[in-house]
Amino acid sequence: QVQLQESGPGLVKPSETLSLTCTVSGYSISSGYYWGWIRQPPGKGLEWIGSIYHSGSTYYNPSLKSRVTISVDTSKNQFSLKLSSVTAADTAVYYCARSAGTIPPFAFDIWGQGTMVTVSS
Amino acid sequence: EIVLTQSPGTLSLSPGERATLSCRASQSVSSSYLAWYQQKPGQAPRLLIYGASSRATGIPDRFSGSGSGTDFTLTISRLEPEDFAVYYCQQYGSSNWYTFGQGTKLEIK
Repeated sequence: QVQLQESGPGLVKPSETLSLTCTVSGYSISSGYYWGWIRQPPGKGLEWIGSIYHSGSTYYNPSLKSRVTISVDTSKNQFSLKLSSVTAADTAVYYCARSAGTIPPFAFDIWGQGTMVTVSS
Repeated sequence: EIVLTQSPGTLSLSPGERATLSCRASQSVSSSYLAWYQQKPGQAPRLLIYGASSRATGIPDRFSGSGSGTDFTLTISRLEPEDFAVYYCQQYGSSNWYTFGQGTKLEIK
C-alpha cells in the first residue's frame, strides 16, 4: 500500500531554513497525484502549506508563499519542503500527504505520520 | 478566502449516543469540495468523508455527512469508544488551495 514518511531535523534555529523530505513508497510519484505539506502547531488546528504535482507545478498557501518552496525528485520518489526565515510560530508537527488535486476526492487521502519541528535557539 | 467555522468547539457525549458536528463556510462551497477528517492524539488525520457525503475507504457506515452551500454536518449515529477524537472539516478551493476548520473535540461525557 501507499505510505509516506517525513524526515528532517527536529530542531531549527530562528531565521534559518526548515527543510523536510517526504519519501513515498508503494506508488511512483511520476504516475500522478498531488503531494502536499500540512502543519499543526502544538494544541492547534491544521494548516495547509502547499502542494506539488508530479510535473513540478506548485501551489502555495498565500500566507506562507513568500517563504515556501516545494520541490519533487521523481528519481528518488520524494518531495521536499523548504520554509525560510523561521520563527517560533513555525514550530509544529509537519505532515506530508497525498491528494488527487483537481479530481475527487479533493482531499488528502493518505498521510505520513508527521514529524515535530521545533524552532528554537 | 473562504473561512470554515466548526461548532461546537467541544462536544461531550456518551458511547451509544448520536453526535452532530457542524461546519459553516463564510461563502458557498461546492458539496464536491467539502471533506471531514478524524484525528486522534499523536496520530495523523484520517479522511472520513469527501464530497460532503461520500465515505472514504474503510470508514464505518455510522459516519455520515450532509449539507450544501454554507452549512455542512458530520453525524455519527451511535458513538463507539474509538470515535472520541478531534474532527476537522476542509474545503478545496480554486487554484488548488485547501483550508481547514478549527476543529471540534468530541469527548466522553
